[in-house]
Amino acid sequence: SQTIHQWPATLVQPVGSPLSLECTVEGTSNPNLYWYRQAAGRGLQLLFYSVGIGQISSEVPQNLSASRPQDRQFILSSKKLLLSDSGFYLCAWSVPRKSSGNTIYFGEGSWLTVV
Amino acid sequence: DQQVKQNSPSLSVQEGRISILNCDYTNSMFDYFLWYKKYPAEGPTFLISISSIKDKNEDGRFTVFLNKSAKHLSLHIVPSQPGDSAVYFCAASARGGSNYKLTFGKGTLLTVNP
Repeated sequence: SQTIHQWPATLVQPVGSPLSLECTVEGTSNPNLYWYRQAAGRGLQLLFYSVGIGQISSEVPQNLSASRPQDRQFILSSKKLLLSDSGFYLCAWSVPRKSSGNTIYFGEGSWLTVV
Repeated sequence: DQQVKQNSPSLSVQEGRISILNCDYTNSMFDYFLWYKKYPAEGPTFLISISSIKDKNEDGRFTVFLNKSAKHLSLHIVPSQPGDSAVYFCAASARGGSNYKLTFGKGTLLTVNP
């Protein structure tokens, strides 16, 4: 069966410091990979998605970047964090489908507090 | 522009009764709809989905109904249990090249009282 893990689960970072959140998926090949964010009192916002190694698409302009160095590894980064980057970050995966029916499966989430 | 709307931020139900969570959408290109359940500080868990070619899908205590003409879907939980207390997100994806992307509502907090 497929599993997804992301880490760290929680972190508190000062403004201006770098960020690296990592995510790995097991039990599947060539998945679509995603980074979502849930800010306080808001829904789930898609930040980045990737359909293959080195292929990253950004959905919203922001202070963050993403990379996919390996097929089942997805990394969310920032060179200098802002207070507004605080939130709950979720890595997710799905089986690529040409037609509809794209179900996304989420990891456990990472709480980021920028102070 | 919010394409998926969950107009009720919260819902409170007695244990054993039916919970009905509602969701409206505006994009006529949406053809696949999902419900997720989320506990605090955890990732959302996929519950149930429905394709636009259907108007109903059941899985145990969970049933999703789709009314395409009204652009409305609902999730019924029968009977409701205290462990169902969580935030429920409605999501939708469009046919075609952007089918990878799910658009989420803001969620409804369901509280099931013993």
